[in-house]
Order: sequence, then C-alpha cells, then structure tokens
Amino acid sequence: GQQVMQIPQYQHVQEGEDFTTYCNSSTTLSNIQWYKQRPGGHPVFLIQLVKSGEVKKQKRLTFQFGEAKKNSSLHITATQTTDVGTYFCAGLKNDYKLSFGAGTTVTVRA
Amino acid sequence: GAVVSQHPSWVICKSGTSVKIECRSLDFQATTMFWYRQFPKQSLMLMATSNEGSKATYEQGVEKDKFLINHASLTLSTLTVTSAHPEDSSFYICSARPELGHGYTFGSGTRLTVV
Repeated sequence: GQQVMQIPQYQHVQEGEDFTTYCNSSTTLSNIQWYKQRPGGHPVFLIQLVKSGEVKKQKRLTFQFGEAKKNSSLHITATQTTDVGTYFCAGLKNDYKLSFGAGTTVTVRA
Repeated sequence: GAVVSQHPSWVICKSGTSVKIECRSLDFQATTMFWYRQFPKQSLMLMATSNEGSKATYEQGVEKDKFLINHASLTLSTLTVTSAHPEDSSFYICSARPELGHGYTFGSGTRLTVV
C-alpha cells in the first residue's frame, strides 16, 4: 500500500533559525497536503500541492512538491515560538483517503 | 470556514462498556467522513471511511464489529467503540472535506480512556 515517509521525527530549533521537514512517497501522488497539529490539538490544514514542481508560500512557510510528485518539503524561516507543534504531510493517491507521514515535532528554544 | 464538531472531547469508561463518538459537519454536507486513531506521539492512522447511506469501509486490521460506524445523514457520522478495553484508549479524530480539491477539516478529537 501507499506509504509516506517523513523526516526528521523531531526538530529542536533555536528561535530565529530555519528548518526543513521532508516527505517521500513510495508511489506517485495526485496531491500532497500539509497539516499542523498543536500539542493537545487536532490537525489543521495548511496547504495543498497539486502540480509537479509546485512551490507555494505562506509567510515564513515554503512548501514544495517534487517533479515526480513523490516528495515534498516544508521549509520554515526565522522560526518563532508560535511554530511549535507537529507538522504532518499527507499524500492523496487516487481515492479520497489521506496517508499521513509520521510527522515532525518542532520545539523552539528562545 | 468549514467546521467539524466532535463530541465528546474526552471520555472515561469502564472496560466492557461501549462509547459513542459523534462527528458533525456544521456548515457543509459530508457524504464521506473519515475516522482516525492517534496514539501518543504517533501519526494519524485511518480506521474507516464513513459513507452516508451505506456501509462504512474499514482499513485492514480494524474490526468492524468493534468499531461500529453509522452515517445516517449528510451531517452526522458516529463511531461506537463496543466492549471497550484498555488497549482501545486513544485519541479518535474524524474529518471531512468541505469541497473537492480542498483540504480536510478535522474535528477536535475525542480522548478515550478505558479503565
């Protein structure tokens, strides 16, 4: 079945620094979505990437979809304490079911 | 924006009893809803796809007789954990997609503790 791998599992970042989390799928995806889950909360939709090579930005967050539509990345610049949480990528293949990566849990030291 | 309301937020039940969790789409109709389970510090695992007016589709390894799903209307899906045991303790979350081509909206989750 479809598997989505995500690394790193944990990211401890100094406030103001940048970091990147990566996702790889074993199969080609129709699209990939990114979610953020704050501690104790539920996943909140951030963005969806559909096109090969697509790049989208949301303020300090940059999302990228690979040319082969099998990998994606989320890059956060100038990390702030509000960025704390777990970031999940989730791949969508042919049906409506999301396959979630393991998540990257981000902590920030001031 | 689209809202999915999930109740209860948390529940503690005795081993052997059943617990019902409700998931409602408040401002859109959802012919399909999804139920996930999340263990501490782990990812979301899809349990089943709830289809309005028809049987739910369960993922491999999920017991359909233990996790009963009912999707009787376009805005309500329920998950009943029957004969709950301590190993069923987990965070259960539902989701639905308000619009094709858009992201999914998740409920706030239900933290189930079976004692």
